Amino acid sequence: DSGVTQTPKHLITATGQRVTLRCSPRSGDLSVYWYQQSLDQGLQFLIQYYNGEERAKGNILERFSAQQFPDLHSELNLSSLELGDSALYFCASSVEGGGRTYGYTFGSGTRLTVV
Amino acid sequence: AQTVTQSQPEMSVQEAETVTLSCTYDTSENNYYLFWYKQPPSRQMILVIRQEAYKQQNATENRFSVNFQKAAKSFSLKISDSQLGDTAMYFCASGGSQGNLIFGKGTKLSVKP
Repeated sequence: DSGVTQTPKHLITATGQRVTLRCSPRSGDLSVYWYQQSLDQGLQFLIQYYNGEERAKGNILERFSAQQFPDLHSELNLSSLELGDSALYFCASSVEGGGRTYGYTFGSGTRLTVV
Repeated sequence: AQTVTQSQPEMSVQEAETVTLSCTYDTSENNYYLFWYKQPPSRQMILVIRQEAYKQQNATENRFSVNFQKAAKSFSLKISDSQLGDTAMYFCASGGSQGNLIFGKGTKLSVKP
């Protein structure tokens, strides 16, 4: 157990629907990062939150949004889902400002399948 | 934009042999960090090794070591005495200017008995 909790582990939904992925960071970590891993692709950075505030944005679609709550858990909302959104979505956390210095602790991911 | 390139999509090695995975990166930062992550079939991302760019000494973690060539922007991973449990995707990553990590597309390593 890495200490980063992601739920659900698997999600199957239809095109056009909306889903919410949830992440609880490792105890003490203030930064949360979301990544998308499509088949045979590397990890694409979506968005970063630090202590409730958006810190950096990557290749995140307008149909996707995220937030970090006062208890530091984070949610990634995916709407108007398309077949191409099928992927493994990772959440990771790090100590303050530490992602690029110390690396991340990853959750086990949410496998999203859009049918 | 910062990039990380892994030129070997797939590699294989015999058990107990040594294998080297390649990685090159591009950054304009002066002080940065480099990482190798392992993703076994379980999908969990596991930090294998970390290198601080301002340190000339190559990082080592048990059977894992790196060959860091700063001028060439090269950061290869050497796995000695390969074990079946080393079978996984290996991702090279560098610290991005936004504070996040930028990953390469990965190298799929198969260790054969």
